[in-house]
Amino acid sequence: NAGVTQTPKFQVLKTGQSMTLQCAQDMNHEYMSWYRQDPGMGLRLIHYSVGAGITDQGEVPNGYNVSRSTTEDFPLRLLSAAPSQTSVYFCASKAGTLRAKNIQYFGAGTRLSVL
Amino acid sequence: SQQGEEDPQALSIQEGENATMNCSYKTSINNLQWYRQNSGRGLVHLILIRSNEREKHSGRLRVTLDTSKKSSSLLITASRAADTASYFCATDAGNQGGKLIFGQGTELSVKP
Repeated sequence: NAGVTQTPKFQVLKTGQSMTLQCAQDMNHEYMSWYRQDPGMGLRLIHYSVGAGITDQGEVPNGYNVSRSTTEDFPLRLLSAAPSQTSVYFCASKAGTLRAKNIQYFGAGTRLSVL
Repeated sequence: SQQGEEDPQALSIQEGENATMNCSYKTSINNLQWYRQNSGRGLVHLILIRSNEREKHSGRLRVTLDTSKKSSSLLITASRAADTASYFCATDAGNQGGKLIFGQGTELSVKP
């Protein structure tokens, strides 16, 4: 069982560069989300999707774009990287919006440094 | 802003002791969950407690929920060195597709 797979695991960017963080899940989950984790800040929600073709903003969406063309994939794009985006990024998925089973499964994370 | 605030931020105990972590939140919730994160890894779900439940057990874990005080606690009994990790509470306010809001976490260190 692969679960939630994130690539790359590590990335170093220069200010102004763009890149896409990949996230794929093989559990046929409807709901997917991206978080960033910074020291002392816990996890903050960037964007989320309740199904293919549907995305919405979380707490800290500025500087990030997402799309959801398939159920399996939910890439996160940084159009012009800034040092403030240095962080650890986690992708997560869950089966759906059913309240009783709102358990999220996380990927291993992508550690991003922007110089 | 964060929904959940956790206390303490860091906790260091000896193997065999109990560890208690607390979480406070601000708005009404459908459920509250606890997750664990080992260093350098993703989060792993531990336990979910619904808003109409007051206590729940899973192995050495006990979670309580007091909706009148908007608070929850996670108790790990007979701790082991392998329990060393960060622990996060997460709240589901019942809107926006079941979006979870995470607290800042408690860093637990269990010394052998």
